[in-house]
Amino acid sequence: GQQVMQIPQYQHVQEGEDFTTYCNSSTTLSNIQWYKQRPGGHPVFLIQLVKSGEVKKQKRLTFQFGEAKKNSSLHITATQTTDVGTYFCAVDQTGANNLFFGTGTRLTVIP
Amino acid sequence: DGGITQSPKYLFRKEGQNVTLSCEQNLNHDAMYWYRQDPGQGLRLIYYSQIVNDFQKGDIAEGYSVSREKKESFPLTVTSAQKNPTAFYLCASRTLGREYPSPIYQPQHFGDGTRLSIL
Repeated sequence: GQQVMQIPQYQHVQEGEDFTTYCNSSTTLSNIQWYKQRPGGHPVFLIQLVKSGEVKKQKRLTFQFGEAKKNSSLHITATQTTDVGTYFCAVDQTGANNLFFGTGTRLTVIP
Repeated sequence: DGGITQSPKYLFRKEGQNVTLSCEQNLNHDAMYWYRQDPGQGLRLIYYSQIVNDFQKGDIAEGYSVSREKKESFPLTVTSAQKNPTAFYLCASRTLGREYPSPIYQPQHFGDGTRLSIL
């Protein structure tokens, strides 16, 4: 099945700095979804990317899907303490109705 | 997320005991999923179900069992065969997607989770 590698595993930033997490695959992906899990909470869906080269924005968050549909990134501009949590990418498995989740990037924001 | 209820929130298992985690959804979703999350780790798929009375094993099904007798309910039993059950268990659901004629992919909605520990 389709899998993704997510980097970095951890990221500590000063409040106001930018943050980026990456998901990479060796195969072409049908789509990619991004989720955020706050400490002690459950994953919450953020966005889905389907088209090659797609870029979507949600306030300070920018999501990109690579031209070859083999990688994706989530960029946060000017981080705030409310951005703390673990960010996961997830991809649909071809021929099976389930998602494969990346290992996640845990973001810590230092006030 | 609203619409998916997991219970209990905390659960303790004794040696040799089977325990059942409840998951109920009122979102009218066809597909339901169980994940295991270990501290600082990602989500690993245990079982999933696309339709009533049918389910498939995920990546780590050994030591677990499920049933899907109703569309709304997908309970997970952690059996005594699961030697390391301490983890955070998450239930999720979503509308079925499709690949043809044009692909449609759906997001997953998660419950609040159950934290299982060994006594």
